Formats: sequence, C-alpha cells, structure tokens
Amino acid sequence: GIQVEQSPPDLILQEGANSTLRCNFSDSVNNLQWFHQNPWGQLINLFYIPSGTKQNGRLSATTVATERYSLLYISSSQTTDSGVYFCAVARTSGSRLTFGEGTQLTVNP
Amino acid sequence: GAGVSQSPRYKVAKRGQDVALRCDPISGHVSLFWYQQALGQGPEFLTYFQNEAQLDKSGLPSDRFFAERPEGSVSTLKIQRTQQEDSAVYLCASKGQMSSYEQYFGPGTRLTVT
Repeated sequence: GIQVEQSPPDLILQEGANSTLRCNFSDSVNNLQWFHQNPWGQLINLFYIPSGTKQNGRLSATTVATERYSLLYISSSQTTDSGVYFCAVARTSGSRLTFGEGTQLTVNP
Repeated sequence: GAGVSQSPRYKVAKRGQDVALRCDPISGHVSLFWYQQALGQGPEFLTYFQNEAQLDKSGLPSDRFFAERPEGSVSTLKIQRTQQEDSAVYLCASKGQMSSYEQYFGPGTRLTVT
C-alpha cells in the first residue's frame, strides 16, 4: 500500500515562531488532507490539497504532486496551535485515507 | 450544520464483553469510513460504506469486528468478545457526493478494555 512519512516527528517552538511540516508519499494520489488533532482528540480539517497551494489565515499548504510531497506552513505560531498534525492521502476520491505518523507540535508561551 | 457525531465518547469494557459504537454522519453524506487510532499513532482504516453497501472491509483486524449501515445513514461498529488489544480510539468519517473528496471526522469513541 501507499506509504506516508511525516517530518519532523516532534517540534517545539516559542510563540510567534514560524514552522514547516513535511509529508512525503510513495505513490500518486487524488486526495491529500492536512488535519490538526487537538488535545481532545478531534481531527480538524485544515486543507484538502492534492496539488497546488492554499492559504487560510496563518496557515498555508503546498503540494507538489509530481514530486510526491506536501508542506504545511504555520506562521506566527500560537499556543493554541499545539497538537498533532497529520497528513493523509488516498489514491481515489472514494478510497481510504492513509495517515502518516504525525508531527507533535508544542508551542510554548 | 452539524458535523459527524459519535457515541458513546468513552467506553470501558471488561475483556470478553461485546461493545457497539455509533456514528451519525453529516446529513446527506453518502460515504462513511471507520478508522482505529492506537495511542501515539495515526488513524488506520477499518471499513468503508457507500450508502448501505459495505464496499471495503479489508481493514477489520479480525472476525470479531463487524460494521453495518442498514439504512445508509447511521452506522454501528460492533466488537465481539473484546480483547485488550482492541483498546483504541475509534473514529468515524463521512464524505459527501462522489465529486467531493474531503473526509470529515467525528470526535471518536475511546474504548478501554480492562
């Protein structure tokens, strides 16, 4: 099956810092989603981005499908950004998502 | 509108008991997925429904796991004769029409088998 690798596994930042999270995947995909799992376990949709670039406030994401990677940028981080960030991919629109192991982000005040 | 809801949010079961976990998808969503998330790991696929049809159950870890969606809306994941290794968070996700790709997740049910 498709493999998803995320880096770094852990990231500790001071409030206000910027960060880049990376997701590599092993095959072509039609669905790529970034999620934030908050401390209560809820997976919050950040981006649906199988290709191209999107921005939403302090967050932005870029997927280079031909090179099989995606990047999530967090600018001016806040303590509420803490949690685990997951990248998940699927080969087709109706198929299962395969998740990476996640990046554990801690933002200190 | 309302998102995906799951119940119960927490379940403690003694080893050997049967449990039933419920998922209410977003109204009108055709596709429904179940995932299992072990502590410290990413969610892993269990099974997939399109309307009432179970199209993929290849992720179910054993024949003790059974899922149904009889009317194409609410789904139930049933685990028979629970074992300690079944302890995990069970997540449900739904997706709209076939042209829509994005999956939306519920809050999960945390199952602890003692």
